[in-house]
Amino acid sequence: KNEVEQSPQNLTAQEGEFITINCSYSVGISALHWLQQHPGGGIVSLFMLSSGKKKHGRLIATINIQEKHSSLHITASHPRDSAVYICAVASRIIQGAQKLVFGQGTRLTINP
Amino acid sequence: NAGVMQNPRHLVRRRGQEARLRCSPMKGHSHVYWYRQLPEEGLKFMVYLQKENIIDESGMPKERFSAEFPKEGPSILRIQQVVRGDSAAYFCASSHRDRFVIHNEQFFGPGTRLTVL
Repeated sequence: KNEVEQSPQNLTAQEGEFITINCSYSVGISALHWLQQHPGGGIVSLFMLSSGKKKHGRLIATINIQEKHSSLHITASHPRDSAVYICAVASRIIQGAQKLVFGQGTRLTINP
Repeated sequence: NAGVMQNPRHLVRRRGQEARLRCSPMKGHSHVYWYRQLPEEGLKFMVYLQKENIIDESGMPKERFSAEFPKEGPSILRIQQVVRGDSAAYFCASSHRDRFVIHNEQFFGPGTRLTVL
């Protein structure tokens, strides 16, 4: 079993729909990242969180440390949101430095 | 303030050749991480370096792969005698290291896509 599991693996929705991507992890962490990767493109960090909830524009990320679960929500989805969304948990190397353990990613397609 | 820079963006090598991938961290960052994304697979940690030191190389293949981060200049990921299975996207990320912060955010470069013919 992977240390970080995302669901669903693929998600297709219509423009305007509310999107939820889930991430469960089995290791102790200091932080959790949500990343976005466009086809052939680089990786953009959307959120880094260690508790509670963060919001940026139409994106909302939540984390429940006790349940080892995080969700990424997109409100009023748009075709430009189509990308792979990756959950990554931070595993401590030394104080102040962590390596990331990644989920497999969720491929999101928003149709107009 | 330029972000993390990687070059080349695309690299084609024939089997048996050497590949050198470069990563220049963000200004003020002294810590570099390398990650590999194999085709149709998720990202995997390879190595974590500080200036002139390898701190954690637990994700590096045992042979043919090496990494360095010299006092001056970019971090280099070197793959000797490349094989087709080395074809992947290689990303580096950089961060501060503030000892009083539990987690210093990592910022990713655009990646180098290596193709081995």
